[in-house]
Amino acid sequence: DVKVTQSSRYLVKRTGEKVFLECVQDMDHENMFWYRQDPGLGLRLIYFSYDVKMKEKGDIPEGYSVSREKKERFSLILESASTNQTSMYLCASSGLGQGAYEQYFGPGTRLTVT
Amino acid sequence: GESVGLHLPTLSVQEGDNSIINCAYSNSASDYFIWYKQESGKGPQFIIDIRSNMDKRQGQRVTVLLNKTVKHLSLQIAATQPGDSAVYFCAENHIWAGGSYIPTFGRGTSLIVHP
Repeated sequence: DVKVTQSSRYLVKRTGEKVFLECVQDMDHENMFWYRQDPGLGLRLIYFSYDVKMKEKGDIPEGYSVSREKKERFSLILESASTNQTSMYLCASSGLGQGAYEQYFGPGTRLTVT
Repeated sequence: GESVGLHLPTLSVQEGDNSIINCAYSNSASDYFIWYKQESGKGPQFIIDIRSNMDKRQGQRVTVLLNKTVKHLSLQIAATQPGDSAVYFCAENHIWAGGSYIPTFGRGTSLIVHP
């Protein structure tokens, strides 16, 4: 069964802290994505990666960075957390070729910055 | 700019009724359109897709209709059940320069099914 896992379901951090959100997929997918989900705004793309060490900015990259050192792992980094980064963060992966448009999502990490 | 939007943020139906969730899109170059279902506490899950050269696609109890003339997408759920209660997202997908599909998601519609 296809699986995307995220390191934490709930996280509480203080303003100014450095925060790491980890995502692992077991499908050997080339593409991995980080979204944030806020009520009424849907899913907004922060960053995506199409290969190891490769990354592209999404629609809202400000205040975030990413790292992909291994194919199965994609990390989202908040260098200095702020209260406006309180949100649900979703990781997803997708492959190439047939059916590549389908994304597989993790369960999400609800981050609260106080 | 390009956007995918939904007409109704919340839809309440009675169990057994048919549900219709609508979505407007603006990028005529999108190749695939997908509906995702997100249950409480979970990530979105693929329901059904439709390619841009199709008008209709049917799955089990679900049908997706694509009207390219007015850039409109709809998801029809037959005989809605309490287990269908969730937030539904439409997503349009276009090919990125590197060959990967990049989706743009709508804001979501919350479907509430009353027993």
